[in-house]
Amino acid sequence: EAGVAQSPRYKIIEKRQSVAFWCNPISGHATLYWYQQILGQGPKLLIQFQNNGVVDDSQLPKDRFSAERLKGVDSTLKIQPAKLEDSAVYLCASSLDPVGNNEQFFGPGTRLTVL
Amino acid sequence: AQSVTQLGSHVSVSEGALVLLRCNYSSSVPPYLFWYVQYPNQGLQLLLKYTTGATLVKGINGFEAEFKKSETSFHLTKPSAHMSDAAEYFCAVSRGGGTASKLTFGTGTRLQVTL
Repeated sequence: EAGVAQSPRYKIIEKRQSVAFWCNPISGHATLYWYQQILGQGPKLLIQFQNNGVVDDSQLPKDRFSAERLKGVDSTLKIQPAKLEDSAVYLCASSLDPVGNNEQFFGPGTRLTVL
Repeated sequence: AQSVTQLGSHVSVSEGALVLLRCNYSSSVPPYLFWYVQYPNQGLQLLLKYTTGATLVKGINGFEAEFKKSETSFHLTKPSAHMSDAAEYFCAVSRGGGTASKLTFGTGTRLQVTL
């Protein structure tokens, strides 16, 4: 079974530029999560999708971050414009059965450096 | 609101020694508790989880954890450390499944294993 795929793995941009990350969850997984992991901290949830719909985006900085999950499969996370404090690893995770709280499977992450 | 406290950002043990990584949680509802491991430049991998039932949970790679409600703890142990156990370990809590499935992570504990 293929795992959660993310691209790119690394990205370096200057502040005020835009960037987008892509995630392909495990086939058949209804729930998709984006987490932000700042160096030295645990991951923090940015947004949770169940199929096409947003379940929780309470911690997403909506003035600069946006995310979508078209057709309930792939997802993209965008930052526009980026700030220095956005430097972090962005982790995508998916789970099969949201009601049963099945295991969340994590991708390798995208490491973003904002200069 | 939920929170997780991991005591000790760095733990060093000798190969063959007992591993003990501490986790305390705060939750207004019965928690679901998790331990994840993260190797360098990789995503998070689930070691074990507690949802309901038996309070002593066994996971992969010889790890286990015990849910102690009275102490609000979920400490991770392994009887004998191996060099391959060197990694970052994260304790996490959720309120359940579905819309409550988002994970709140601790700040992590880096485990070093020495010869």
